[in-house]
Order: sequence, then structure tokens, then C-alpha cells
Amino acid sequence: TQLLEQSPQFLSIQEGENLTVYCNSSSVFSSLQWYRQEPGEGPVLLVTVVTGGEVKKLKRLTFQFGDARKDSSLHITAAQPGDTGLYLCAGAQAAGNKLTFGGGTRVLVKP
Amino acid sequence: NAGVTQTPKFQVLKTGQSMTLQCAQDMNHEYMSWYRQDPGMGLRLIHYSVGAGITDQGEVPNGYNVSRSTTEDFPLRLLSAAPSQTSVYFCASSYRQGPSWGTEAFFGQGTRLTVV
Repeated sequence: TQLLEQSPQFLSIQEGENLTVYCNSSSVFSSLQWYRQEPGEGPVLLVTVVTGGEVKKLKRLTFQFGDARKDSSLHITAAQPGDTGLYLCAGAQAAGNKLTFGGGTRVLVKP
Repeated sequence: NAGVTQTPKFQVLKTGQSMTLQCAQDMNHEYMSWYRQDPGMGLRLIHYSVGAGITDQGEVPNGYNVSRSTTEDFPLRLLSAAPSQTSVYFCASSYRQGPSWGTEAFFGQGTRLTVV
């Protein structure tokens, strides 16, 4: 049983559409991170959220940390083919370095 | 900039063989870790180290050994490979920080291991 559940597992959309990926847990996290991974590469950090209710924007990507620090969402506006990849959420509990990863959401943006 | 370097990138082993996956980082990070990635399961922590001479088990440590003799290197050893260890392995490093805020993990490019 995974501590962090991501949904959906797979998302296929047309260029220009919006999408939202969810990351949920019954546990509280001191911080939560989102990574993107491309084929043949390791994950690369997109954002870290640390405060309950926090919202961060990175160009067309909006990240939100739930008020109770148990869940997070990633929203992409007007998706582009370059957004294609595997999106992973990762939470840290007591010690900041030890990360627990969700199962990942594979996003395909078709031109 | 090298960052985190993993070798080899690909490896095929026969059941029962042993091997060492190498990981080196040049960022002077105290914290290093090994993950395995299987379809639909994200990344699962195998072992981690908070500094030279200190290692600890993660979520799925069975069948794997690690050591940390230097800050830079964190090799992962498979003592007797099994088909269940077929996976993609990632090494990561980060600065060591406190519990109140997250720290960025830097990942290597991965080692794709097949055990037949």
C-alpha cells in the first residue's frame, strides 16, 4: 500500500487543453514536491510546497498544497506537447530528506 | 557539470550473479539514496545515507547492500540477483536539511537492470 496515491495513472489530452493531477494521502507531510521525469532520465524537481494552503505557479503550472498538508494537486493550463512526461509527487515527513513517492501520472499531450 | 553519475546504464545479469551499481556525486551532498522504479509504483527507497560511514534501510532493502566510505560515492550491491530485482535503479543526492522544509533531490540517469 502506497502512502501517496496519485490519480489518474494516465492522462491523454490534446494540445491546448487543461489537466489536473492529484496526490492524496492519509498522512501529514512537512513538505511535498513535484517532479517530472522524461524517458531515459531521472526525475527533475518542479516545485516544493511547505505550507498548508500554499499555491505556487510556474508559468502554466499551478501547484497547491492542501490545508491539512495531506494532499496536493498540479494543474497545467493550455498543455503543450513539451509537457508530456511522468509526473511524480513526493512527500517528506519527519526528516526533510527522506522522500516517499507516489505511483506517478503519465501525461501525454498530443499536438 | 556532472551532478549525479550512475554506471552502468544497462546491465543484464543471470540469476545468482552479483554486481555493484556505482553512484557518484560532485555536489558535496551529505544525503544519498537509492531507489528502484517499477511500472505504476513510482520510486521506492532501497537504502539511504546521511553522511560518510552512516547508512540505513529504506522501504525495500532485502537483497541489497550499501556502504558509504566517502561523501562522493554510494555503491549499491546485489549479492545474488533474482528476477524480482529487474527494475530501473536511481541514485539521488541532496543537501541535508531540517524537517520543516523540503530539499531538492538530484537524480542520476538510472541503471536499467534485467535479471534472467
